[in-house]
Amino acid sequence: AQSVTQLGSHVSVSEGALVLLRCNYSSSVPPYLFWYVQYPNQGLQLLLKYTSAATLVKGINGFEAEFKKSETSFHLTKPSAHMSDAAEYFCAVSKGGSYIPTFGRGTSLIVHP
Amino acid sequence: EAQVTQNPRYLITVTGKKLTVTCSQNMNHEYMSWYRQDPGLGLRQIYYSMNVEVTDKGDVPEGYKVSRKEKRNFPLILESPSPNQTSLYFCASSSRGHNEQFFGPGTRLTVL
Repeated sequence: AQSVTQLGSHVSVSEGALVLLRCNYSSSVPPYLFWYVQYPNQGLQLLLKYTSAATLVKGINGFEAEFKKSETSFHLTKPSAHMSDAAEYFCAVSKGGSYIPTFGRGTSLIVHP
Repeated sequence: EAQVTQNPRYLITVTGKKLTVTCSQNMNHEYMSWYRQDPGLGLRQIYYSMNVEVTDKGDVPEGYKVSRKEKRNFPLILESPSPNQTSLYFCASSSRGHNEQFFGPGTRLTVL
């Protein structure tokens, strides 16, 4: 079975500070990994996706994530937080014949002025 | 415009009164799925479908039914809703393979 763990249900940063949202997965085979963002009162939209082409994946709005197989991690980062980044972020994993991903519990990013 | 639509967006109902939440996508996607989102629990998969007439249970299927008679539609049916089904529901679709899921805007359901 595959699972995703997001460390920290809430992360608070100041505007301009580094954003780091943590995601660890459990999988015995190379997975497909995703980060989605959910802005208030909206559905989820894709931020970025890892498909084994490159370990460092760049997404929209300046976010990127690095796949580290040895650590089974796929942490999301952004060098400088903006107020508009305040949202819920979900890590997701799919592998093998299961094309419908499993989602983590989400991390709420709070950005202070 | 490529999109996933859900109706209704908001629904307040009473225990035991059957209801259906519709989901439709116009992207010709093979895969469709239903999730519920609850505080502290993230998104949990209810049911998914990988093709017409092919559906399978997700992590929390109890109390729900689905059908996939047409490729574009994937309704979620609550035969006898109970208060513990009060939640925010999302429908999503994706193309064949490990691809991006496109989400609907959500349906906020309250069961009294």
